[in-house]
Amino acid sequence: AQSVTQLGSHVSVSEGALVLLRCNYSSSVPPYLFWYVQYPNQGLQLLLKYTTGATLVKGINGFEAEFKKSETSFHLTKPSAHMSDAAEYFCAVSEGGTGNQFYFGTGTSLTVIP
Amino acid sequence: GAGVSQSPRYKVAKRGQDVALRCDPISGHVSLFWYQQALGQGPEFLTYFQNEAQLDKSGLPSDRFFAERPEGSVSTLKIQRTQQEDSAVYLCASSFLQGFGYTFGSGTRLTVV
Repeated sequence: AQSVTQLGSHVSVSEGALVLLRCNYSSSVPPYLFWYVQYPNQGLQLLLKYTTGATLVKGINGFEAEFKKSETSFHLTKPSAHMSDAAEYFCAVSEGGTGNQFYFGTGTSLTVIP
Repeated sequence: GAGVSQSPRYKVAKRGQDVALRCDPISGHVSLFWYQQALGQGPEFLTYFQNEAQLDKSGLPSDRFFAERPEGSVSTLKIQRTQQEDSAVYLCASSFLQGFGYTFGSGTRLTVV
């Protein structure tokens, strides 16, 4: 069985400060890991993904995440927050391969304070 | 089209009414998923299609929920005799390569009154 835990349902940072959104997963097989962002009244947009290979993955809008197998974590970071980063962020895990569903966390709402 | 299109964007249904939600995936995308997102929650899996074949429907919450994709392109999620607990955003996602990140539509917000 697979699951995702996102620590902190709400995170506030000052504009220009480091963004750190936490994600821990549970998976019985090597996972595929994803971060999605959701703006109000919109669908989910893929920020970045880890499937195999390099454990530090870079995504859009300056975000990156590092897959740490020993810690079963896939935390999302951005060195300097921008006002436009305010949104809901979802971490997801899948087994990959044919047709496997995604298991999403409950989301973290990011507020950026000017 | 360039993205996954869902219609309607908003739907208000009276309890007991049947509804049909449409998803137009990106042309050529083989895989199609439906997810249900309750307020303040992450999306939860409903069902999965590979072309026209419904390979997994384990997430459908009851037999009132039915999905189809008869020609392997457009998909319809039907909910019969809607209940208040069906109120949620219904998201459709499609992909050409399975498991490598899906493109999501903007969703249909269903409110059952």
